[in-house]
Amino acid sequence: LAKTTQPISMDSYEGQEVNITCSHNNIATNDYITWYQQFPSQGPRFIIQGYKTKVTNEVASLFIPADRKSSTLSLPRVSLSDTAVYYCLVGDIAGTALIFGKGTTLSVSS
Amino acid sequence: NAGVTQTPKFQVLKTGQSMTLQCAQDMNHNSMYWYRQDPGMGLRLIYYSASEGTTDKGEVPNGYNVSRLNKREFSLRLESAAPSQTSVYFCASTRQSNQPQHFGDGTRLSIL
Repeated sequence: LAKTTQPISMDSYEGQEVNITCSHNNIATNDYITWYQQFPSQGPRFIIQGYKTKVTNEVASLFIPADRKSSTLSLPRVSLSDTAVYYCLVGDIAGTALIFGKGTTLSVSS
Repeated sequence: NAGVTQTPKFQVLKTGQSMTLQCAQDMNHNSMYWYRQDPGMGLRLIYYSASEGTTDKGEVPNGYNVSRLNKREFSLRLESAAPSQTSVYFCASTRQSNQPQHFGDGTRLSIL
């Protein structure tokens, strides 16, 4: 099972770009990378998913280098409402090996 | 759009009591999951059901049982609750196992 390592916490200010890096040295060929966001008293919410190179949607970008041993979630111009816990998951095609680590607590200040 | 609905939202039990947590999804998803989240921890998978009629153990299955009642519903049962099972329980579903999961808002369970 591919295990992930993320920073425990990060601080930022409104309007800044935030990059959260996740290490997954044992990622397997069929594994994909998914990021979730969780607010207090709520279930996690899907942000973005990718397999290789770069993926972008309306809220974030995901950068995956060629060796796929790490990935970086990029949040452009964060606001106070982006204060949350962010989880990086690595899972296989069957989807049964999903492991949530402790996540990264992002605190955005004004 | 209800998405994933969990009931109850809160529950307090005494040690040794039994309880079933309910989860239903209205998105016609095939796969469903049960997780627990302890303070300051990430989510840990208890059981999952890749499709209707199948269930499998996750990372922390001891003390729990599940039933995939139909495609919509996936219940989690504690036969004899223990204080170590005090946690927030999340149910999730997805169309296919390799697709992003949709989560409910959780059931907060305290066992005294």
